[in-house]
Amino acid sequence: KAGVTQTPRYLIKTRGQQVTLSCSPISGHRSVSWYQQTPGQGLQFLFEYFSETQRNKGNFPGRFSGRQFSNSRSEMNVSTLELGDSALYLCASTLAGGSDTQYFGPGTRLTVL
Amino acid sequence: QQQVKQSPQSLIVQKGGISIINCAYENTAFDYFPWYQQFPGKGPALLIAIRPDVSEKKEGRFTISFNKSAKQFSLHIMDSQPGDSATYFCAAIPNRDDKIIFGKGTRLHILP
Repeated sequence: KAGVTQTPRYLIKTRGQQVTLSCSPISGHRSVSWYQQTPGQGLQFLFEYFSETQRNKGNFPGRFSGRQFSNSRSEMNVSTLELGDSALYLCASTLAGGSDTQYFGPGTRLTVL
Repeated sequence: QQQVKQSPQSLIVQKGGISIINCAYENTAFDYFPWYQQFPGKGPALLIAIRPDVSEKKEGRFTISFNKSAKQFSLHIMDSQPGDSATYFCAAIPNRDDKIIFGKGTRLHILP
C-alpha cells in the first residue's frame, strides 16, 4: 500500500505570495491532519479534515486554510506569506482520526525569502 | 491550553547505554499516548504507544513507562544504538475525535 505523499517536496517563495501544498493520504484513510514543524516549536497542529469537513483547528491565523476533497486528498493554502512561515509542513493520514495511528508524509519544505 | 511537556530537549548517550526521555501532561483525560520517531528528511513514524490502563509496555528495546497519578510517561531505549539517533516526540490524545498533542521533541544522538 502506498504511503502518504506530499507535493511539492521543496518550495521557495517570497514574502506576500501565496502557496498551496498538496497531500494524498493512504488509500482508505479518511482523516488528514496538517502540521507545521520548526526547530524551535516542534510539531504545531494546523487543522484536521475528516470526510471533507474541518474537524479540529489549531491556533494559526486565518492566512492558513485547508480543504479536503471527496477522494480524501487535501490541500493547504497559506496566503500573504511571511518570513516566519518558513518551515516543514507535514501531513498525516489516519483511518478515522483520534487514536488511530497517524501516518506522516515526508513533508514540504517551504522557504520564504 | 492542553500541553505535553517533553524533556530533555537533546540527549547524548553512549552506544549500549539506556536513553530516557520524559513527558508530562496537564489536566484532562488523555486516553492514548503514542511516541513517534523522526529521522532527518523523513516524516515522524509511530514507534510505540500505550493506554492509561497499563503501567508499562515493551516492544523490543523500547519501553514506555506510564505513571497515571503523576501524569507522566517516559520512553526507555535499552542498549541504544547509533541507528536510534533521531528526534523523538511524545504525544497525547484526549479522545477519539480530538486532535493529537505533541511534545516539542528530543533530539537523541548515540555515540558509536
